[in-house]
Amino acid sequence: DADVTQTPRNRITKTGKRIMLECSQTKGHDRMYWYRQDPGLGLRLIYYSFDVKDINKGEISDGYSVSRQAQAKFSLSLESAIPNQTALYFCATSDFWTVPETQYFGPGTRLLVL
Amino acid sequence: DAKTTQPTSMDCAEGRAANLPCNHSTISGNEYVYWYRQIHSQGPQYIIHGLKNNETNEMASLIITEDRKSSTLILPHATLRDTAVYYCIVRLTTGNQFYFGTGTSLTVIP
Repeated sequence: DADVTQTPRNRITKTGKRIMLECSQTKGHDRMYWYRQDPGLGLRLIYYSFDVKDINKGEISDGYSVSRQAQAKFSLSLESAIPNQTALYFCATSDFWTVPETQYFGPGTRLLVL
Repeated sequence: DAKTTQPTSMDCAEGRAANLPCNHSTISGNEYVYWYRQIHSQGPQYIIHGLKNNETNEMASLIITEDRKSSTLILPHATLRDTAVYYCIVRLTTGNQFYFGTGTSLTVIP
């Protein structure tokens, strides 16, 4: 969905490095999410934010942190990257006022940690 | 959120209808059925959702059985671009996460 953008699209980094993945949206949604996907598996939730002042851990938050700089921006940081964080990362957004809630996903960031 | 069961893979001839089944026997009364698809590692794409009634939009139709324990996503005239992994998700009206399982890998054959 072009309304949800992620940068970079691909990233190679080394073990121990700190990196940041960024997500921006023009949909005007208040809720934003970060998921990771490993080969052959479904998506797992890392962190989510229901508004600028709200940050919540998902099922696999260890080793990650997030920042909600504005309603439209939600960044995911790997404080000290390790090889098992190699995965495909997706940002998603949704609108609190739309019932039932529907999440819209960005194109993904492919991360390789060496 | 209720668990869903989908076949691992399916084939469909181009131009024919693709019927993708999903079982959700533990669904509760206020849980919706959603369908998403993921084309070759792109971001999951929303297709359709329903509660009790059958639904249709420009992409697909969703048929939900009367007891709500199963549903079928129908792509009326499958094209090669419909080759993707299709996820059936059952979920309350709101919450945090969408639980994507392993889905059904649909291959549309020329």
